[in-house]
Amino acid sequence: AQTVTQSQPEMSVQEAETVTLSCTYDTSENNYYLFWYKQPPSRQMILVIRQEAYKQQNATENRFSVNFQKAAKSFSLKISDSQLGDTAMYFCAFMNSGSSNTGKLIFGQGTTLQVKP
Amino acid sequence: GAGVSQSPSNKVTEKGKDVELRCDPISGHTALYWYRQSLGQGLEFLIYFQGNSAPDKSGLPSDRFSAERTGGSVSTLTIQRTQQEDSAVYLCASSLLWDRSYEQYFGPGTRLTVT
Repeated sequence: AQTVTQSQPEMSVQEAETVTLSCTYDTSENNYYLFWYKQPPSRQMILVIRQEAYKQQNATENRFSVNFQKAAKSFSLKISDSQLGDTAMYFCAFMNSGSSNTGKLIFGQGTTLQVKP
Repeated sequence: GAGVSQSPSNKVTEKGKDVELRCDPISGHTALYWYRQSLGQGLEFLIYFQGNSAPDKSGLPSDRFSAERTGGSVSTLTIQRTQQEDSAVYLCASSLLWDRSYEQYFGPGTRLTVT
């Protein structure tokens, strides 16, 4: 069974600085997808960034980028130029892309990020 | 366009009562998912629908939990004889196709409190 681990329950960063959230996962599959979701206090889960395991290039979305290390099964999220609106809980998630895939997401425990002015 | 909607936003019920939670997915999204978010268990998958059928019910925690989807659209999650451990936020998500490359769009959730 796949598992996702986020070892940082809480983090804080000063506005305009850079922060990195850690995520490791365990799977025997070779093909899969990894995601970072953001959940602000409104509870609305929003996709931040997605990475396909077969792609060596790290995904980037504006101020958000990932460091995907397939051999190490590590998938960290870097937020550059942090903004107050980035304050939220961040979830790392795994999706199997094998033939038996149902598209269900397996989530880590989450990291609460606070951006301080 | 409209996103995923869920109702009610909050529900308080007495232990032993039955509750129904509703999810309206984004129009045209054939895949629908229910997740549960609780303090002790984090975010966990409950059930997946493709159209009106549920090929993956592996996450339903007990036979008190059931779900259905009609017309390939609205879904209802029913919890019978609620227990205090059922207290959680129930999230619904939908996606365009059964395709692992597609994003899941989440609703705002229903916060269930069992007293």
